[in-house]
Amino acid sequence: QVQLVESGGGVVQPGRSLRLSCAASGFPFSSYVMHWVRQAPGKGLEWVAVISSDGKNKYFVDSVKGRFTISRDSSKDTLFLHIHTLRPEDTAVYYCAKAKYSNSWGGVDYWGQGTLVTVSS
Amino acid sequence: DIQMTQSPSSLSASVGDRVTITCRASQGIGNYLAWFQQKPGIAPKSLIYAASNLQSGVPSKFTGSGSGTDFTLTISSLQPEDFATYYCQQYNSYPYTFGQGTKLEIK
Repeated sequence: QVQLVESGGGVVQPGRSLRLSCAASGFPFSSYVMHWVRQAPGKGLEWVAVISSDGKNKYFVDSVKGRFTISRDSSKDTLFLHIHTLRPEDTAVYYCAKAKYSNSWGGVDYWGQGTLVTVSS
Repeated sequence: DIQMTQSPSSLSASVGDRVTITCRASQGIGNYLAWFQQKPGIAPKSLIYAASNLQSGVPSKFTGSGSGTDFTLTISSLQPEDFATYYCQQYNSYPYTFGQGTKLEIK
C-alpha cells in the first residue's frame, strides 16, 4: 500500500536551514508528481511546492520563493524540501502528498503523517 | 492567484443530518476541485477529486458537485466520525490554493 513518511522536523532557530524528507513506498515514485503542503498551528492548509516526476519542473507559492527548494532522489524514493533562512512564520506541520495519476500535474490522493517544524530562538 | 472561499466557516449539525458546504473560486477552474477531510492532529484525507469523483474507499455519503466557480460538498446521514474540518482546493493552476476550511461540529 502507498506510504509516505516525513522526517526532519524539529525546533530550529530563526535564520537557520532545515531539510525535510518524505520517504515513499508502495508505488512507482519516479512516475509521480509530488507536493508539499503545510499547516501552521491552528490554521488552515497552505500548498507550498510541487516537483515533476522527472525533477525538472518545480513551482512554489510566492511566500517561499527564493528560500525553499524542492528536490527528489528517485534512486531512494525520497522527496525533499530544503528550507533556508527560517522565519517564525514557517512554523508548521509539513505534509508531503502524491499526485493521483502518474505523470500528471493534477490533484493528490495520499498524504504523509506530517513533520512539525518549529522556528524559535 | 485563485482565491477559494468556503462557506460557512463553521457548521453545527446532528447525527443523521445532511449538510452542504460551498466553495467558490475567484475565477473559473473547470472541474479541477478537490475536497479533503481533516481531524485534529491527523493528516488530511482526500475525499473527492475532479469536483465529483470519490477517492478510493470513500463512502458514497459524500457527494461533490459543481464546475466553473461554484462547488458543493454534501454529506448525508452524518455519523460521529464525520465531524471534522473540510477543505476545498483548486488544482487548475499554480499556486494550488485551499479554502479556509469549514469546521463541522456536533450540535
